[in-house]
Amino acid sequence: DVKVTQSSRYLVKRTGEKVFLECVQDMDHENMFWYRQDPGLGLRLIYFSYDVKMKEKGDIPEGYSVSREKKERFSLILESASTNQTSMYLCAVGRGNQPQHFGDGTRLSIL
Amino acid sequence: QKEVEQNSGPLSVPEGAIASLNCTYSDRGSQSFFWYRQYSGKSPELIMSIYSNGDKEDGRFTAQLNKASQYVSLLIRDSQPSDSATYLCAVSIIQGAQKLVFGQGTRLTINP
Repeated sequence: DVKVTQSSRYLVKRTGEKVFLECVQDMDHENMFWYRQDPGLGLRLIYFSYDVKMKEKGDIPEGYSVSREKKERFSLILESASTNQTSMYLCAVGRGNQPQHFGDGTRLSIL
Repeated sequence: QKEVEQNSGPLSVPEGAIASLNCTYSDRGSQSFFWYRQYSGKSPELIMSIYSNGDKEDGRFTAQLNKASQYVSLLIRDSQPSDSATYLCAVSIIQGAQKLVFGQGTRLTINP
């Protein structure tokens, strides 16, 4: 089974802070994804990466950036956190046409 | 805009009955289809994958795919209270990597 580890289950930060969310996988899958999930809005793709140092914007990239320096690690960065970025953040990994597997999620609150 | 539509529910089913969850999608080029289960406060968990027309069975779960009608469904037989969750339909699109477009989810409640 694919193991996807997100660095924090719960995180509280202040407006204007730079926030880092980390995701690590153990299965050498090439594709990694960051989503946010909000009530009534479903899962929305922020960014994804299909190889080391490669990144593509998803549907809602504004206010976020990502980094993938090693194949197993994909980081999501909130450059200057705002209250509307309070959400559940989910990392997923996948390979080819296989399904994506999710981490446990990080519930982020911006005060 | 690639879309995946699900009835948001809530869908209420008595214990032991069959729960039927439906999903339609707009992109005729989609090749891979997945059902995820998500308990409240938890992350989505894969329960079924289906790639070709017809039925695919795994235990109490059956996924059905009809590409001509752009329709995928999930049947849960002998429903249990532990099946109460939100079920997400996901459909693949290829943009560099395989991306998934998710429906809003159907909230299912199994009544003892």
